Amino acid sequence: NAGVTQTPKFQVLKTGQSMTLQCAQDMNHNSMYWYRQDPGMGLRLIYYSASEGTTDKGEVPNGYNVSRLNKREFSLRLESAAPSQTSVYFCASSESRITEAFFGQGTRLTVV
Amino acid sequence: DQQVKQNSPSLSVQEGRISILNCDYTNSMFDYFLWYKKYPAEGPTFLISISSIKDKNEDGRFTVFLNKSAKHLSLHIVPSQPGDSAVYFCAATRGNTGKLIFGQGTTLQVKP
Repeated sequence: NAGVTQTPKFQVLKTGQSMTLQCAQDMNHNSMYWYRQDPGMGLRLIYYSASEGTTDKGEVPNGYNVSRLNKREFSLRLESAAPSQTSVYFCASSESRITEAFFGQGTRLTVV
Repeated sequence: DQQVKQNSPSLSVQEGRISILNCDYTNSMFDYFLWYKKYPAEGPTFLISISSIKDKNEDGRFTVFLNKSAKHLSLHIVPSQPGDSAVYFCAATRGNTGKLIFGQGTTLQVKP
């Protein structure tokens, strides 16, 4: 009964370092999403994948890349981390693009 | 350009009373609206939704009202319980894009 699982839960990076945030869902959902949450900003969509093999940009895609490895997994990569990418990152999945999304517990990332 | 706005950062109500959380949007193309609840250190969880063809949707203690002419929706919680204390986000989407646009969130505190 895991739902959406994100790893790691916490991470501190130095400016310029790279890392990949992992996300996996066990609900056989077609669509997956990456959001970031910043104070006073709500959640903003970074990238999404409507189905296996497809990805599309959201509101704030700059500085990020994604991979829809298979139906279960959707990873987010920061190639060269910047302090502006300090945020809480949430992965989500939904059965389709018109149904509600289920969120993971989040990854708190700090870039120093 | 904030397309979805929650102008009240916080709300405090007494247990047993009604909580009313408000949300305004600017994009008339939005056709589906959702409310999510978020506890600290957890991901958002889906609460209730409404299609633009309806003006009301009810689920237990939670009711969402949609006023399309005013581009306004509200979430009513009756009666409020201390366990309802959380951050509430409204979100909107259009068509079958699956892209959720979130408001900034309102922190609800229900006092015993």
